[in-house]
Amino acid sequence: NAGVTQTPKFRVLKTGQSMTLLCAQDMNHEYMYWYRQDPGMGLRLIHYSVGEGTTAKGEVPDGYNVSRLKKQNFLLGLESAAPSQTSVYFCASSYSGVLQPQHFGDGTRLSIL
Amino acid sequence: TQLLEQSPQFLSIQEGENLTVYCNSSSVFSSLQWYRQEPGEGPVLLVTVVTGGEVKKLKRLTFQFGDARKDSSLHITAAQPGDTGLYLCADQETSGSRLTFGEGTQLTVNP
Repeated sequence: NAGVTQTPKFRVLKTGQSMTLLCAQDMNHEYMYWYRQDPGMGLRLIHYSVGEGTTAKGEVPDGYNVSRLKKQNFLLGLESAAPSQTSVYFCASSYSGVLQPQHFGDGTRLSIL
Repeated sequence: TQLLEQSPQFLSIQEGENLTVYCNSSSVFSSLQWYRQEPGEGPVLLVTVVTGGEVKKLKRLTFQFGDARKDSSLHITAAQPGDTGLYLCADQETSGSRLTFGEGTQLTVNP
């Protein structure tokens, strides 16, 4: 049981390039989330989804887009990468309802030059 | 906007020592979760507390939720090198289950 899988694990981009981060979960979770983690700032929610075909903005959505075409996948896109988007990106998923734990992937380390 | 403050930000101790880390909120928690994150990995849930005054134990870890549900503490007894990691508290809202994280306490336990 793989849980939450993120690809790629590392990536270096040049300013202005675009890319898509993929998150896949095999736990049949309804909810999925994208966070970024920066030194001294904890994890901040970028976008999230409460079900297939739905997306919503989190705390820091600017510069990112997401899609949830299939229940098991949640894609995070950067249309025109900026150095301020250098970060570690984490995907998480959970069952619906209160008091459910979120299950995290191991992160994607993204550097934008 | 809710603000979660964790203290201390960094803590380095020797194996066998006891320690306490804190999480304080500017507003009442909906429910509070504690996670531990090891280098190169995502956070992993340790515990969820809901009721004011609640105390939960997980082996050598004791979690306490303040009576007013605006603060929490994590106490580790006889710390071991395997306890090394980033300890994060998070408030979970009731709708959508979104988490708001604190900045974390980076704990290093030296052998």
